[in-house]
Amino acid sequence: GAVVSQHPSWVICKSGTSVKIECRSLDFQATTMFWYRQFPKQSLMLMATSNEGSKATYEQGVEKDKFLINHASLTLSTLTVTSAHPEDSSFYICSARAIDRPSYEQYFGPGTRLTVT
Amino acid sequence: GDSVTQMEGPVTLSEEAFLTINCTYTATGYPSLFWYVQYPGEGLQLLLKATKADDKGSNKGFEATYRKETTSFHLEKGSVQVSDSAVYFCALVQGGSEKLVFGKGTKLTVNP
Repeated sequence: GAVVSQHPSWVICKSGTSVKIECRSLDFQATTMFWYRQFPKQSLMLMATSNEGSKATYEQGVEKDKFLINHASLTLSTLTVTSAHPEDSSFYICSARAIDRPSYEQYFGPGTRLTVT
Repeated sequence: GDSVTQMEGPVTLSEEAFLTINCTYTATGYPSLFWYVQYPGEGLQLLLKATKADDKGSNKGFEATYRKETTSFHLEKGSVQVSDSAVYFCALVQGGSEKLVFGKGTKLTVNP
C-alpha cells in the first residue's frame, strides 16, 4: 500500500529557533499534500494544503509566515516552523494524495511531535 | 461550520465484545462520511466510508451506516480482537472540497 513517512518523528527545540519537518510519499507521486496539527485530545485541524510547484493554501487563522510550507517535488513536502515558541508545541501530521484520487483518499504519515522549550 | 462529534474515550473492552463508537455530524449539504483508524506508531488509515444517506460502509468486520435523519455514522463491530486496539477517527468531507473534518478520536483498548 501507499506509504508516507515523516522525519523527524519527534524534535525538541529552543524557543526562537526554526524547525523543519519533512513529509515524503515513498511509493507514489503526491500532487497534493496536507498538513495537520493535533493538540492532545483534540481532532486533527487542517493547517494548509499544498500542490506540487505552487504556493500552499492556508486555512483561516494559520500564519503563513510562521508555518512555511514547500512542496518542491511530487514526493516531498516540508513544513518549517519559524521562530518557534512553546505554544507551537504540538503533533504535526502530513498526508498525501495521488493524482486524480478523491479527497478522502489521503495517506497519512505517522506524525511529528514538536516540543518547544 | 461543519463539525464532527464522537464519543469520548478511552473505551476498554474484552476480546469478543461488541463495539459501538458513536459519531454525529453537523454539516450543510450532503457530506461523505468516513472512519479512519490509527494503530500505535502508524499514520491514519481509511477504514470505511459512505457517500450518501443509507449507505453502509464495511471493512475488517467493522460497519457504519450513514443516517441522514439522525446525522449519525456510528461505528460497530460484533466481536473485537486485541489487534483492533487503536484510535478511531470519524470524519466528513463536503462534495467538491478537499478538506477532511475530523472528530477528536476515540481510543479503543481490547484486552485478551
